[in-house]
Amino acid sequence: DQQVKQNSPSLSVQEGRISILNCDYTNSMFDYFLWYKKYPAEGPTFLISISSIKDKNEDGRFTVFLNKSAKHLSLHIVPSQPGDSAVYFCAASAGGNQFYFGTGTSLTVIP
Amino acid sequence: DTGVSQDPRHKITKRGQNVTFRCDPISEHNRLYWYRQTLGQGPEFLTYFQNEAQLEKSRLLSDRFSAERPKGSFSTLEIQRTEQGDSAMYLCASSLKGLAVRETQYFGPGTRLLVL
Repeated sequence: DQQVKQNSPSLSVQEGRISILNCDYTNSMFDYFLWYKKYPAEGPTFLISISSIKDKNEDGRFTVFLNKSAKHLSLHIVPSQPGDSAVYFCAASAGGNQFYFGTGTSLTVIP
Repeated sequence: DTGVSQDPRHKITKRGQNVTFRCDPISEHNRLYWYRQTLGQGPEFLTYFQNEAQLEKSRLLSDRFSAERPKGSFSTLEIQRTEQGDSAMYLCASSLKGLAVRETQYFGPGTRLLVL
């Protein structure tokens, strides 16, 4: 039972353009959402988070948008850089104990 | 602080053997999590500790798996009588859970287990 879904396994974007990574969830009790980036042979690295009381959070080139009615969140990276090429996971929790992760989207930024 | 560390980084074992992994969290973090990740999947929750207390275990965690965090610092994950299906990346994460702090988990590099 996958409660957090990333339906695009891969995405390719030209350097300098916007990357948009999407994530859908099914559990309406989720109230905290995070994005992680993972390079090969490393553990996931925290990128950005958002609480359900907000609909947008921005940190430099990274912005996360939350649409609670659609149970959908997205990560925007602007401008995309070759170093952003990695696998991106979204994660969600309800009350802050167990975290549920999506299956990941592999982003390739083409120079 | 150098972040979350895990040891070993790689382990190859034969089916039926026991293996033990170690995780050292970020020093001030009171929570420690274990996850398992297989190819093409995201991390799957196995168990977590708050200080030395194991508060939750996933149904993925069979009775062949046991985890400890004896002094509320480092943790060990032991798999007894390994099976080929146990082959995966085992990730450890730590976080600081407080009344006013929204929790963010910081991951270690993982231990990749291959059961032959």
